[in-house]
Amino acid sequence: QSVLTQPPSASGTPGQRVTVSCSGTRSNIGSNTVNWYQQLPGTAPKLLVYNNNQRPSGVPDRFSGSKSGTSASLAISGLQSEDEADYYCAAWDDSLNGYWVFGGGTKLTVL
Amino acid sequence: QLQLQESGPGLVKPSETLSLTCSVSGDSISSSTYFWGWIRQPPGKGLEWIGSIYYTGSSFHNPSLRNRVTISIDTSKNQLSLNLRSVTAADTAVYYCATETSSILDNWGQGTLVTVSS
Repeated sequence: QSVLTQPPSASGTPGQRVTVSCSGTRSNIGSNTVNWYQQLPGTAPKLLVYNNNQRPSGVPDRFSGSKSGTSASLAISGLQSEDEADYYCAAWDDSLNGYWVFGGGTKLTVL
Repeated sequence: QLQLQESGPGLVKPSETLSLTCSVSGDSISSSTYFWGWIRQPPGKGLEWIGSIYYTGSSFHNPSLRNRVTISIDTSKNQLSLNLRSVTAADTAVYYCATETSSILDNWGQGTLVTVSS
């Protein structure tokens, strides 16, 4: 059971806009920034969005993040076949002595 | 460019200790810029943070694993190490090392699969 809650799956057709949600609590998303990762099959996770809505260099602006209260979202516009991957949200949790928590991942299928 | 490479035994017996190394290139493990961390991913499942360490030796661990985990750095070899004691089949996973910069787990190694089995 992951600390952050994501839908297990999402889908869309090429060109569509899809969103992936991530729900947490006051001790994690409610207090800290959210990062998003893309994991292509058989590869390591790659940082996609950091500090809620910032993109590392090289990440297309089709990918955008937002946060409100204890929830966050990743939006992918102009969906492409190469976007088919698993997407994970992550945040620092201030409870106990502090630790990183992840969502369970959302598998995005491009139909 | 910072690069991380995990290495270690691919098979560990139950009740034994899992030991992995992460070799760092492109920067010094003594850099004050980074925390150095370990994350794992059981086959077909999600990500789980194991712990992180700063060059000073200060470390943080996942509460669920804290009693079994030791993370250390070897500045002479520019390496990060992970020891996980008393392993069971539930510890079977791909283990990643990663840097943490300004509260972001940003650079990840390619990962190494460790199977716990007799």
